[in-house]
Amino acid sequence: RKEVEQDPGPFNVPEGATVAFNCTYSNSASQSFFWYRQDCRKEPKLLMSVYSSGNEDGRFTAQLNRASQYISLLIRDSKLSDSATYLCVVNGPGGTSYGKLTFGQGTILTVHP
Amino acid sequence: ETGVTQTPRHLVMGMTNKKSLKCEQHLGHNAMYWYKQSAKKPLELMFVYNFKEQTENNSVPSRFSPECPNSSHLFLHLHTLQPEDSALYLCASSQARTDQPQHFGDGTRLSIL
Repeated sequence: RKEVEQDPGPFNVPEGATVAFNCTYSNSASQSFFWYRQDCRKEPKLLMSVYSSGNEDGRFTAQLNRASQYISLLIRDSKLSDSATYLCVVNGPGGTSYGKLTFGQGTILTVHP
Repeated sequence: ETGVTQTPRHLVMGMTNKKSLKCEQHLGHNAMYWYKQSAKKPLELMFVYNFKEQTENNSVPSRFSPECPNSSHLFLHLHTLQPEDSALYLCASSQARTDQPQHFGDGTRLSIL
């Protein structure tokens, strides 16, 4: 089983649509969780951290279910500029695994007019 | 704009060459990282430095040699690389805490002839 697993997509949605991405992780001791976005041939950029209580940042909502080891990202009112690859990222347990981010393969989103 | 700067942006080298990648962070972070991103594969962590000390070597071949002279600078020395080493090499930095996200540089796109 992959450490961090995402549906690779691609997701093709019209502007204004709502789209949801899912991610599962295998290490139950994982401590922190993030969503990054990566544009073609660019570096990953932090989109948002994911907190246990769920959190929202404008049109983006992230949820974490520790019992199911599941993370989600919801994008409302999609814009053309949201087209990118969305990376689910998990930070391992502390101690010797400090700083070990594990990246999912990414979910490709294309928003069309 | 980015608080993490990488040079060069592009590098083409032969298998017998020696070259170095440079990374500098202006964010006041105390941990720095090297990642490799090959086509259609997730980002792979290579090395972790925490307060200039290497804390993680993710089974990276010895033809890749990192150097961290201080918390703001990180190098990756390359020697006798193989064609399969062609990839995007990304540097990142963060505060030395597992709940802190990492911030990435633009990357160096490396091609081995």
